[in-house]
Amino acid sequence: GAVVSQHPSRVICKSGTSVKIECRSLDFQATTMFWYRQFPKKSLMLMATSNEGSKATYEQGVEKDKFLINHASLTLSTLTVTSAHPEDSSFYICSGGIAGNEKLFFGSGTQLSVL
Amino acid sequence: GQQVMQIPQYQHVQEGEDFTTYCNSSTTLSNIQWYKQRPGGHPVFLIQLVKSGEVKKQKRLTFQFGEAKKNSSLHITATQTTDVGTYFCAVTSGTYKYIFGTGTRLKVLA
Repeated sequence: GAVVSQHPSRVICKSGTSVKIECRSLDFQATTMFWYRQFPKKSLMLMATSNEGSKATYEQGVEKDKFLINHASLTLSTLTVTSAHPEDSSFYICSGGIAGNEKLFFGSGTQLSVL
Repeated sequence: GQQVMQIPQYQHVQEGEDFTTYCNSSTTLSNIQWYKQRPGGHPVFLIQLVKSGEVKKQKRLTFQFGEAKKNSSLHITATQTTDVGTYFCAVTSGTYKYIFGTGTRLKVLA
């Protein structure tokens, strides 16, 4: 099956710093990339949807200036958490979609801890 | 916005017992998907249902889509310890955007 590689798997940073998370689709071209956030023992909350070469569409309540998403190519999408604060600590996970195939392929997730 | 509730929230079963989780939407769905997330892992696609009343089986797993396309169920027969994890339904109401249900955490006691 299709593979989405997500890095880093875990990051610890100081409050006020920015963190970049990368997702690469290794053996397919992800026309759409979804970014989710998951708190412990909770569901996945959709943060934004991005299509290659265009601006991301953010869900209500998600600050686009804080969570910068770039989908520069069909194989790479990045999420940058800017000026991170402890309340941004969470599990962030990306998933790629292929046009015409409704199955989502998930990355392995990034556990972000902001001190 | 669209709400997708799953019940139960948690379920502990003895190995060999059956398990069912239900997914309910406030709106009519185009399709529904089911995912499994093992502890510490990421969601893995199980199946997609599209047609009203559709029933699909994967070994011990049976998936059903309601006649009104507003609910779905996942039934596991004779659970095994490998079935441990959280089961999510994910729905789309026409747009290419998937909203995940609240999830059901399954624990199987050996």
